[in-house]
Amino acid sequence: QSALTQPASVSGSPGQSITISCTGTSSDIGGYNYVSWYQQHPGKAPRVMVYDVSNRPSGVSNRFSGSKSGNTASLTISGLQAEDEADYYCCSYTRSSTYVFGTGTKVTVL
Amino acid sequence: QLVESGGGLVKPGGSLRLSCVASGFHFNSAYMNWVRQVPGKGLEWVGRVKSNADGGAVDYAAPVKGRFTISRDDSKNTLFLDMNSLKPEDTAVYYCATALSTTVVWGQGTMVSVSS
Repeated sequence: QSALTQPASVSGSPGQSITISCTGTSSDIGGYNYVSWYQQHPGKAPRVMVYDVSNRPSGVSNRFSGSKSGNTASLTISGLQAEDEADYYCCSYTRSSTYVFGTGTKVTVL
Repeated sequence: QLVESGGGLVKPGGSLRLSCVASGFHFNSAYMNWVRQVPGKGLEWVGRVKSNADGGAVDYAAPVKGRFTISRDDSKNTLFLDMNSLKPEDTAVYYCATALSTTVVWGQGTMVSVSS
């Protein structure tokens, strides 16, 4: 199972919106609504930001939103803030009853 | 909350058992995962065990299948990862994680180093 494809880096100025893409296949993202997104700051454990494509856990800012179209999922961060600077990973359930993570995206706040 | 333990330094070909103690949710109904991360690299799913009520089936990622075994002890709210025939490329921080109804909970991770 190959890793899902994410851009290596995305940047934006404070207050701007950015979108991180996550591309898979019909055997993972395209076949199931089980896509989640994780934020990870250096030296810390991952934190879930979105689950089941577009659901936000309690405590996660509504500036984070998820969506999916075909084999590609997206995470949008609106009103970018300095604290959003981190690594972001997508994750999808697969047809093989396994999970696969994305390659990871480093978000930089300019 | 999830708390991992058992990490350490082991020689290639050696074995190690990791534990993950859960609290604050119904462990016996939770599907439990292991995820690892090579320092400075991305996340890699290792495997998952379903709840015993759902059959307790275990699925593994290809790189660890046949070498790693995931099990659970619901009486102790504990998840295990038995790692055999360890290779240098298994060096990573190992996390346990579970998807609850409205969130995903992660432990803080435990470091495993495989080196001679």
